[in-house]
Amino acid sequence: EIVLTQSPGTLSLSPGERATLSCRTSQSVSSSSVAWYQQKPGQAPRLLIYATSSRATGIPDRFSGSGSGTDFTLTISRLEPEDSAVFYCQQFDGSSYTFGPGTKLEIK
Amino acid sequence: QVQLQESGPRLVKPSETLSLTCAVSGDSVTTTSWWSWIRQPPGKGLEWIGEISDTAFTKYSPSLKSRVTISLDKSKNQFSLNLNSVTAADTALYLCAKHGPGYSFGFWGQGTQVTVSP
Repeated sequence: EIVLTQSPGTLSLSPGERATLSCRTSQSVSSSSVAWYQQKPGQAPRLLIYATSSRATGIPDRFSGSGSGTDFTLTISRLEPEDSAVFYCQQFDGSSYTFGPGTKLEIK
Repeated sequence: QVQLQESGPRLVKPSETLSLTCAVSGDSVTTTSWWSWIRQPPGKGLEWIGEISDTAFTKYSPSLKSRVTISLDKSKNQFSLNLNSVTAADTALYLCAKHGPGYSFGFWGQGTQVTVSP
């Protein structure tokens, strides 16, 4: 099973700043199989990015994804107060899905 | 717009079977797609449980495979989860989701909290 690690565990930034969230996989994965989600308290996760860099429907262009191999990144530019949430990366290795432990983003 | 709604008992006794249903509206479970169950223990991250295709082909998480069954009910446009021999470690928010685009989960239910306790 492919294990995902995310860093940092917690990120505290101010509105207008840029957030860079990292996701590392224990084995190389296809770029088509990496996705990112945002989860706010009491809500289900919301798909932000799929296939490493494609934005899901309705997601603003402040959210962008990049990466390849074992290293993937979610970048949120021009942070807004409503971006406060936990962000999860996810991968599919052809037989099963795994998620990272999450990065908590706090907006000061 | 696809909508998913989980339902089932909120309290299950240890060693018994957890049974949940995900009702789908705005789409058909028989269209070309995959449907999954995912869970989230209190204060923790997400764990994929397994999936079922529109033709009822299933795949399960290796760590849960021996205890999980996912089935499709085309007449009711829903799919179900059975997890047997539950313990306190199975206490979690259980979510159902539709796959896509790509290898992602684009639509989610709100989840149902299940507690395993005597």
